[in-house]
Parts: sequence; structure tokens; C-alpha cells
Amino acid sequence: DQQVKQNSPSLSVQEGRISILNCDYTNSMFDYFLWYKKYPAEGPTFLISISSIKDKNEDGRFTVFLNKSAKHLSLHIVPSQPGDSAVYFCAAKLGGGKLIFGQGTELSVKP
Amino acid sequence: GAGVSQSPSNKVTEKGKDVELRCDPISGHTALYWYRQSLGQGLEFLIYFQGNSAPDKSGLPSDRFSAERTGGSVSTLTIQRTQQEDSAVYLCASSLVGRNIQYFGAGTRLSVL
Repeated sequence: DQQVKQNSPSLSVQEGRISILNCDYTNSMFDYFLWYKKYPAEGPTFLISISSIKDKNEDGRFTVFLNKSAKHLSLHIVPSQPGDSAVYFCAAKLGGGKLIFGQGTELSVKP
Repeated sequence: GAGVSQSPSNKVTEKGKDVELRCDPISGHTALYWYRQSLGQGLEFLIYFQGNSAPDKSGLPSDRFSAERTGGSVSTLTIQRTQQEDSAVYLCASSLVGRNIQYFGAGTRLSVL
């Protein structure tokens, strides 16, 4: 039972363009959502987050949008840079402490 | 320390052997989590420690898996009688109490031959 899904295993974009990573969830009780970035042989690094009471959060080149009615989350990166190439995980929190992760999307930004 | 520290970074073992994985959280973080990432998969929650409360063990896949946290700091994840399907990267994270952001270590890559 996959409560958090990232349906695109990979995404390729040109440097300078927008990257849009998507995430869907099934549990309407999730109260907080996070995006993590992961480079090979390193642990996930926190990128940006959003509370379920908001619909948008922005931090520099990164913006997260939350559509609660559609149970959909997206991460926008503008402009994309080669250093953004990594695996991106969305995660959801349900009260308590544990995070439920999607399967990840590998982003490749071409120069 | 500056970040979450995990050891060893790599562990190769034979099927049936026991292994211990160590996690040293960020100083002052009272919450500690263990996850694992199998090949091509997302992170799977294993266990969560919060201060002196009973741990949330709901993610442990079998009774061969156990974890303890001594003195509210360092944690050890033990896998007994390892199986090939236990091969994965085991990640530890910590956070401040009541905070949503978890900070991860680099993980231990476990290979069971």
C-alpha cells in the first residue's frame, strides 16, 4: 500500500528551464510534506517543506505547491542548474514522527 | 558532532550472521529514526525513538530486527540471522523534539552474500 507515490522515475531538463517534480498521496490526514534531495552515496538532504494548511511555499529557486483536493504535491525548480541533478524524494508526515517517502524521481539537468 | 554519523559506511556479511549498525545523532536531537532504502525504492520507515518514550517499532519487518538507544543518544540497529533480502542502505535521521525536519546520515550499505 503505497501512500506516497512519485510516478515519474526520471526527468531530464535543459539548464535554465523549469523542472517540475510531482508527488501524489492517498492519506488526507498527512499534516506536513517535505522534499529531500539525494546525491549518490550520501544521505538525503532537506530541501523545502510545506504545512497542510498552506498551498505554496517558496525558497529561492525552489517552490512547493500543495493541492489538497487533488492530494497532489509538486516541486518547481527555476531556473534549473546542472548541480540540481540528483534524486528527489517527497515525504509526508502523519502526526507522530515517521516520514512516509515516495520512490524518488531522478532529475538530470543538461548543460 | 556537526551532523548525523553512521558506521560502518559499508558492511558485507554472510547469510545467517548477525550485524550491528551504529548511529550517532546530532547533539541535542532527542528524536532518532531508522529507515532503509532497498535498490530502486524509496525510504522505508523502521523504528523511531523519542526521548524516554517507548519507541515506535511499527516498521520493523521481522523479529530479526531490533534497535536500542542508550543514554538518549547513540543508537544501534541489530539484524540477526541476516538474509539476502536484508541487503539495503540503512539510514539514520535525527530531529529536535516537535520539529518536522529530519536530518539524515550518509547511511550504511549492507550487503548480505
